[in-house]
Amino acid sequence: EPEVTQTPSHQVTQMGQEVILRCVPISNHLYFYWYRQILGQKVEFLVSFYNNEISEKSEIFDDQFSVERPDGSNFTLKIRSTKLEDSAMYFCASSEELRNTGELFFGEGSRLTVL
Amino acid sequence: GNSVTQMEGPVTLSEEAFLTINCTYTATGYPSLFWYVQYPGEGLQLLLKATKADDKGSNKGFEATYRKETTSFHLEKGSVQVSDSAVYFCVTTYGNNRLAFGKGNQVVVIP
Repeated sequence: EPEVTQTPSHQVTQMGQEVILRCVPISNHLYFYWYRQILGQKVEFLVSFYNNEISEKSEIFDDQFSVERPDGSNFTLKIRSTKLEDSAMYFCASSEELRNTGELFFGEGSRLTVL
Repeated sequence: GNSVTQMEGPVTLSEEAFLTINCTYTATGYPSLFWYVQYPGEGLQLLLKATKADDKGSNKGFEATYRKETTSFHLEKGSVQVSDSAVYFCVTTYGNNRLAFGKGNQVVVIP
């Protein structure tokens, strides 16, 4: 069964360092998303991406964050200068449609720890 | 924006027991409602959904009914198995596939 894969599963970094989280969405999906879950809090929407550009982003997704699809298969989330409060589980997701079906396929998540 | 609230705390129960996880929603209009599940070591996956009032979503023995009068979407299963141990999230939508999650409930089923 096709699945969304994420790497790394866990990354520890120092505050101020750049981090890139990688995702391989399901191959025939056209819409891609990043969500995150800070420990003890709800899973939150960060950004959606379609046709090589951001479709929507939340207020969390500030200038420190960027996304790209560099090679037609990977979908990456970059955090330029990490802060302690960026420590969270980051989930990548993809879907066939953007219409509000709510049917997203998620990866296992990448846990980011900022020291 | 639309949001959901799940009951607090983990749920521990014995195999073959009845499971209920409460979820209420706050929304403008009538958004779709979902239950997502995360099994250990796996990604979040859609368990069931309901798109309008009185709809019942069902899958793998789980059921949830979209109740407008009580703004609820409680998840139920009549007889749980150890393999049902997972984290369960009540979810609604706002915007184009922007999902609003509840905090999630860890369910542990003991043999």
